Amino acid sequence: AQRVTQPEKLLSVFKGAPVELKCNYSYSGSPELFWYVQYSRQRLQLLLRHISRESIKGFTADLNKGETSFHLKKPFAQEEDSAMYYCALYTGGFKTIFGAGTRLFVKA
Amino acid sequence: DTGVSQNPRHKITKRGQNVTFRCDPISEHNRLYWYRQTLGQGPEFLTYFQNEAQLEKSRLLSDRFSAERPKGSFSTLEIQRTEQGDSAMYLCASSSPGEVEAFFGQGTRLTVV
Repeated sequence: AQRVTQPEKLLSVFKGAPVELKCNYSYSGSPELFWYVQYSRQRLQLLLRHISRESIKGFTADLNKGETSFHLKKPFAQEEDSAMYYCALYTGGFKTIFGAGTRLFVKA
Repeated sequence: DTGVSQNPRHKITKRGQNVTFRCDPISEHNRLYWYRQTLGQGPEFLTYFQNEAQLEKSRLLSDRFSAERPKGSFSTLEIQRTEQGDSAMYLCASSSPGEVEAFFGQGTRLTVV
């Protein structure tokens, strides 16, 4: 079955602390994974994709095929990082499967 | 704002009524997607258009739901005989040829009372 699991509904950290938002996927093919972010009162937007292997706003994510994971990390959280984060799996056929999302709250 | 535009932003309707939502994608994008999002969940894929052709439909899309994209530009999503379970945020997204990244609209929040 094709599935994306984000085990934490809410993650609360202090400003300056490291952040890791977990994402696990189930897919028999070669996965293409993304992280989308939704800031308060804004639309859902792409944060990063695994094939580009870039850092966006200090966030990175590494695809671990052995553990079927694509965790999102940032070494020092900022208050403006507070948002809803969705891990997404592109399965081909133009269909993307989203996880349930993790709300990140960065406390001052 | 030249992004994906959805109208209306909010819709309250009585059970059994029909509703129609509109999505205007980014102008050069030939791919258009509809998703549904309920509270506490991520977006769930409903259907996909490439130009005017509807190429994929989810099993979530019951026969009460119909989507069109008549000229390959804007799209409409109609729900007939609405039920309380249809209450959700309906999201539209578009992407350019050969690109997987989807650009989302603000969504239409439907409440069926």
